[in-house]
Amino acid sequence: NAGVTQTPKFQVLKTGQSMTLQCAQDMNHEYMSWYRQDPGMGLRLIHYSVGAGITDQGEVPNGYNVSRSTTEDFPLRLLSAAPSQTSVYFCASSTTGLAGRDEQFFGPGTRLTVL
Amino acid sequence: RKEVEQDPGPFNVPEGATVAFNCTYSNSASQSFFWYRQDCRKEPKLLMSVYSSGNEDGRFTAQLNRASQYISLLIRDSKLSDSATYLCVVPYSSASKIIFGSGTRLSIRP
Repeated sequence: NAGVTQTPKFQVLKTGQSMTLQCAQDMNHEYMSWYRQDPGMGLRLIHYSVGAGITDQGEVPNGYNVSRSTTEDFPLRLLSAAPSQTSVYFCASSTTGLAGRDEQFFGPGTRLTVL
Repeated sequence: RKEVEQDPGPFNVPEGATVAFNCTYSNSASQSFFWYRQDCRKEPKLLMSVYSSGNEDGRFTAQLNRASQYISLLIRDSKLSDSATYLCVVPYSSASKIIFGSGTRLSIRP
């Protein structure tokens, strides 16, 4: 199993550009989520999904869109990139999100810089 | 009050020392808690889970105090390889949002 994969590993955007961060998992996990990590801020939840076709907002959803058309994939779209979105983005998955009882498996992260 | 708060650190201790840090949470309904370890520029990985009063795994002990709403992580006989950031994780009240603390940075010196 590849686990959780993310592409790209690094990305530089100009303000106003849009892009999609890809996340895929091959563990048949129902729950997937996106976090951003800034220095001294820890991980902040952007969006999450408890299954295909179901998504919901986390702590910091503004400026990001998600969709979950399949169990395996959970892409994160930046609609119009801003310098405040410079961060490291982690995708995670777990068997279920119910009661948070499951281990979260993380991808290696995407380091995004917005100029 | 934040959902999850941690000692910010950094904790700088000598090899072989015992070190402990806490994580407080605001959701009294939370039933399960986790400690994750994150190495520099890497993804977080599960260290320990805490479902009842506590859990022990070798040199690591995690304890839960429901009355005061905090969990702690104790590391005995610390090794250089224990240097990392330790994140506590608490399920949010909706049970589908999983909130991470901001992390405690630990540095073990020779």
